[in-house]
Formats: sequence, C-alpha cells, structure tokens
Amino acid sequence: NAGVTQTPKFQVLKTGQSMTLQCAQDMNHNSMYWYRQDPGMGLRLIYYSASEGTTDKGEVPNGYNVSRLNKREFSLRLESAAPSQTSVYFCASSAGQGNEKLFFGSGTQLSVL
Amino acid sequence: GDSVTQMEGPVTLSEEAFLTINCTYTATGYPSLFWYVQYPGEGLQLLLKATKADDKGSNKGFEATYRKETTSFHLEKGSVQVSDSAVYFCAPSRSGGSNYKLTFGKGTLLTVNP
Repeated sequence: NAGVTQTPKFQVLKTGQSMTLQCAQDMNHNSMYWYRQDPGMGLRLIYYSASEGTTDKGEVPNGYNVSRLNKREFSLRLESAAPSQTSVYFCASSAGQGNEKLFFGSGTQLSVL
Repeated sequence: GDSVTQMEGPVTLSEEAFLTINCTYTATGYPSLFWYVQYPGEGLQLLLKATKADDKGSNKGFEATYRKETTSFHLEKGSVQVSDSAVYFCAPSRSGGSNYKLTFGKGTLLTVNP
C-alpha cells in the first residue's frame, strides 16, 4: 500500500539553485495538491490539480511551478530557491468531485541556505 | 474568503484527561468540516468529518459536532492517551463547484504525559 509517495525526503539547496519535488499516487485519484507547512502558519496550498491536464494556483504560488505529468504524478518545481522557501512540503491526493478526503505523503523537508 | 480559527497550543494534558480543541470557521455556502491529525514525522491523515448541520463525526474516541449556528466544530475526547500526542488541524472545505479545496487551521499541538 504505497499511497502517496514523495521524493526526496530531505534536501538542502543554496539560494538560486533549482530543484523538482516529485509526487506520485497509486490510488487512481483525480485531484492532487501541494502544500507547505511552516511553524505557526499551518498548511498553505501552493498549487493543485483538480484533474489530469489542469492546474490552478492556491494561496501561495509565487516562486513555484507545477506539472501534472499524468494522472499519477504531480511535480513541484522551484526555479530559483530562496530562503523563504525553507519549509516542509506535502503532496496530497483525493478522489475529487466532492470527495474531500485527502491522502498525504510523508513530506519533504527543504532547507534553502 | 474561507478561514478557520483554532485554539492555539500547545496543549499539555495528563493521560485520561478530557480534551477540547476549539475550532470556528467562516465559509461561503455550506461546507463540510474535517479534523486531520499529524503524528510526529508523518503526513496528515483524516481523523473525522461531518457534512451537514448537527452531524457528529467520530473516530478513535474523538468526536466533533457540526454547529452551523455558531460556525464551530470543536474536537473532544473524554480520556486522552499518550498515543494521542500529535498536531490536530481543523479544516472546512470550500463548497460548491467541482474543485474542492480544504482550508487548514494553523494546527494545535497536543502533548499527553503518562
């Protein structure tokens, strides 16, 4: 039972470097999401994909891009990392179409120096 | 826009104590309401939910009742255990349309001591 798989689990970047966080789900879910979690801020939605072929901005999209590669995979890219992007990133998926139960990956801890 | 206010933590209790974590929300339409829990080092997982007024969600001894008149969804447990130590998030959903998104509260850290 893999569920939602995120890679990598940990990453350290220097300011200005780029990287892509990978996410895959094996539950045939329609919707996928990227959140960031910061102390005292809870979870904030970065981008989401309601269905394959669509993506939309969430609450804090600046500095990020996403790609819904296929139904299973939804990647998050940082083109030029900044210290303000130091955070824990979570990918999630749901069946969509009104079924709001989200299944979360175990997170990626990213530090930007 | 939608928003949610949770009781600020941290909350520290002794085993078998009574727990209440307050949650109030503002949302357009008629949202479904959720509590998610995050155990140390893990992602969030659904704890319970309620989809209409006066519904009571329950799971693992936790309960929360959808109070439309007070726009609240307070989490309660009669007797907490050490294994309940975690961060709890209240989350109303945006209702209507085909793109559902949850708005998460800031989370409440619960520590239960033996």
